Amino acid sequence: GQQLNQSPQSMFIQEGEDVSMNCTSSSIFNTWLWYKQDPGEGPVLLIALYKAGELTSNGRLTAQFGITRKDSFLNISASIPSDVGIYFCAGPRAGGTSYGKLTFGQGTILTVHP
Amino acid sequence: DAGVTQSPTHLIKTRGQQVTLRCSPKSGHDTVSWYQQALGQGPQFIFQYYEEEERQRGNFPDRFSGHQFPNYSSELNVNALLLGDSALYLCASSLARGRSTEAFFGQGTRLTVV
Repeated sequence: GQQLNQSPQSMFIQEGEDVSMNCTSSSIFNTWLWYKQDPGEGPVLLIALYKAGELTSNGRLTAQFGITRKDSFLNISASIPSDVGIYFCAGPRAGGTSYGKLTFGQGTILTVHP
Repeated sequence: DAGVTQSPTHLIKTRGQQVTLRCSPKSGHDTVSWYQQALGQGPQFIFQYYEEEERQRGNFPDRFSGHQFPNYSSELNVNALLLGDSALYLCASSLARGRSTEAFFGQGTRLTVV
């Protein structure tokens, strides 16, 4: 079945450092979504990408839609303790009637040391 | 503007019992999707409801069923509960038109089957 592979699986960084994580797939995606999930909560949408090569920012977060449409990257600049959580990439399969049927990666766990 | 709300937040059931989970979508949204998230995993798509009909379904058995009401709220029903059904159940709402892949999640219902 279709899979999204996120790396790294976990990251331990110092406050103030920049963070990079990525998501790859064997299938083409028309949309890439990045979510953050805190313990015991639902995922919160951070950034949505709709076009190959697109670079979108949301505050200290920047995400890019890969040119091949099979990958995406999320960067967090100047990390702060509240950035702690699990970051998921997600997207609907290209073509067909997959709107709303999101496939998620397994997540990147981010820990920020003060 | 109310976001996606789910009830109850926590639930403990016995193996073999049946459970009903409820979701109210974000104001203005007409599509509801349900996801199951096991511990340490990304959410897995169960099914999606639009116009009171199941539109898409993931790889889940018929024990999982749902309903959407005229006010767009939705229920997820699980029959003959198994221990493996213990998970966080997430509801996501979106718009059928436009950028419907932007799904917004509720806080989830933590189901424990004992």
